[in-house]
Amino acid sequence: AQSVSQHNHHVILSEAASLELGCNYSYGGTVNLFWYVQYPGQHLQLLLKYFSGDPLVKGIKGFEAEFIKSKFSFNLRKPSVQWSDTAEYFCALVNTGFQKLVFGTGTRLLVSP
Amino acid sequence: DVKVTQSSRYLVKRTGEKVFLECVQDMDHENMFWYRQDPGLGLRLIYFSYDVKMKEKGDIPEGYSVSREKKERFSLILESASTNQTSMYLCASSFTVDEQFFGPGTRLTVL
Repeated sequence: AQSVSQHNHHVILSEAASLELGCNYSYGGTVNLFWYVQYPGQHLQLLLKYFSGDPLVKGIKGFEAEFIKSKFSFNLRKPSVQWSDTAEYFCALVNTGFQKLVFGTGTRLLVSP
Repeated sequence: DVKVTQSSRYLVKRTGEKVFLECVQDMDHENMFWYRQDPGLGLRLIYFSYDVKMKEKGDIPEGYSVSREKKERFSLILESASTNQTSMYLCASSFTVDEQFFGPGTRLTVL
């Protein structure tokens, strides 16, 4: 069975600090990986995705993520966070044989000004 | 711009009531999904549909059913609401295994 683990449930940072949110998955086959973000009171929206090719993918608002196949990881990074990055972040995967996403439990990020 | 709309943002129902949550998408997507979102548990898939009149159980289908009579509309039904179904319900649609587009959610409280 596929699963996604996000070990950091709550993260508190000051503005301008660097961010790295962990995401590990378990599945031996080919996967597509996603990070979604949910800003307070807003829809869940796609931040970035990895299907194939360059394992370092760039998303919106200065976020990036690195796919490391040997570690089954897809960590999200941002060099300098802003107060507006306060949100809940979800890592997800889809087995290329199926249409359904499997989500991690989410990480709540609070950025203090 | 893809738009996924849900019939209600907030809903309060009583135990035992039949509850309908409606979802409509305007992008002619084949796939539609219903999730529930609970703190510390992330999003869990209830049901999904690949096509009209097609439905597949997700990870937590117990106590729920769905209906997809038209391509753009996917309904979630709680046959007899219970307090443990108090949650945020999210609908999503997608064309392929690519990005899913989410609605704003319905926060359901069952008293």
